[in-house]
Amino acid sequence: AQKVTQAQTEISVVEKEDVTLDCVYETRDTTYYLFWYKQPPSGELVFLIRRNSFDEQNEISGRYSWNFQKSTSSFNFTITASQVVDSAVYFCALTFFTGGGNKLTFGTGTQLKVEL
Amino acid sequence: DVKVTQSSRYLVKRTGEKVFLECVQDMDHENMFWYRQDPGLGLRLIYFSYDVKMKEKGDIPEGYSVSREKKERFSLILESASTNQTSMYLCASSLPPPPSPSGNTIYFGEGSWLTVV
Repeated sequence: AQKVTQAQTEISVVEKEDVTLDCVYETRDTTYYLFWYKQPPSGELVFLIRRNSFDEQNEISGRYSWNFQKSTSSFNFTITASQVVDSAVYFCALTFFTGGGNKLTFGTGTQLKVEL
Repeated sequence: DVKVTQSSRYLVKRTGEKVFLECVQDMDHENMFWYRQDPGLGLRLIYFSYDVKMKEKGDIPEGYSVSREKKERFSLILESASTNQTSMYLCASSLPPPPSPSGNTIYFGEGSWLTVV
């Protein structure tokens, strides 16, 4: 069975602090994709990053960075020098293939609050 | 840019009513999905479709049905709405798995907030 665990329900930080959001996944598939999505108060899920199971290179995009470690089944997300605009719910997700399509399994999300 | 449009942002319906939630995508995606989001439970898959007239149950299909008559449109139907179906509903679409460069990336609409009273 596929499962994504985001143990941190809510995190509060002060602006300019660094913050790491944890994601641990379970899958029996050898080929899979991991995602992070951001959901601001408006409700729409915004795609942030996709990583496939064969690519363990870490990635940096501006203030965002992702650490993928297959050995620990983790795909953690770090925001450097956080800003108030980063306040949102962040979801980690795992995709797997069934029939002719692919499905996403989501974690329960981490609410990030960045305060001045 | 990929655009997934959900017809209604906010709805209030009465118990027992038949409810239609409509979703349209403009990127010729084969796959379309309906999720519901509830506090503490994250997003849960209701149904998905990987081709016209094709559908597959997700994790929580009870009380719902879907229709996909055209590639760009995927409708979620609540046959007889109940108060426990009060939730936010998210539609999404994607290309099939790779080798498409953007395959597997799932794009979401803005969500439909449904209240059943």
